[in-house]
Amino acid sequence: GEDVEQSLFLSVREGDSSVINCTYTDSSSTYLYWYKQEPGAGLQLLTYIFSNMDMKQDQRLTVLLNKKDKHLSLRIADTQTGDSAIYFCAESLGIYNFNKFYFGSGTKLNVKP
Amino acid sequence: DVKVTQSSRYLVKRTGEKVFLECVQDMDHENMFWYRQDPGLGLRLIYFSYDVKMKEKGDIPEGYSVSREKKERFSLILESASTNQTSMYLCASTQIGQGNQPQHFGDGTRLSIL
Repeated sequence: GEDVEQSLFLSVREGDSSVINCTYTDSSSTYLYWYKQEPGAGLQLLTYIFSNMDMKQDQRLTVLLNKKDKHLSLRIADTQTGDSAIYFCAESLGIYNFNKFYFGSGTKLNVKP
Repeated sequence: DVKVTQSSRYLVKRTGEKVFLECVQDMDHENMFWYRQDPGLGLRLIYFSYDVKMKEKGDIPEGYSVSREKKERFSLILESASTNQTSMYLCASTQIGQGNQPQHFGDGTRLSIL
């Protein structure tokens, strides 16, 4: 499968910004996604970005895409303890690949009060 | 909102048993997927289905099979459970089509094989 890479852990203080990074390998990916997984739960869609965009902002979330370097990041402003979770990036292989996704290994975000 | 329901949140079975994990979605999605999630390995695709009775192997199909007799239901079968199949299993569904088609997930089944 494709290699979608993320660092495993990130620790921040409440009120700081968090930046979670991801690199992917399939340059033909049209959509890239961020999901959040709280303990014991499934994955919840947070946001997505279309591959012809550089940036997308959605309230406290900012997604940056550098298509040349195949680098995706998720910035969470004013991080709260409720943001503690595992965050997965995913790339969609598109309609001709049955909308299969490749997921990164997940970044566990720990927010300290 | 899309609802993907997995029949059990926790399941404990014994080595050698045949195990069924069930998943139902209510949005008439064509595609359904089964993943397993292990720490540090992310989500790995076991099988997926793009239509009734149609199935395709994912990256780690060994030891598993699937069944899709109705569009809304996708079952994962462990033919003879082994301890290395202890894991979190996640089901997802998505529409076929161009454009933004996110996968929607169930809450997962944490399976322990003793």
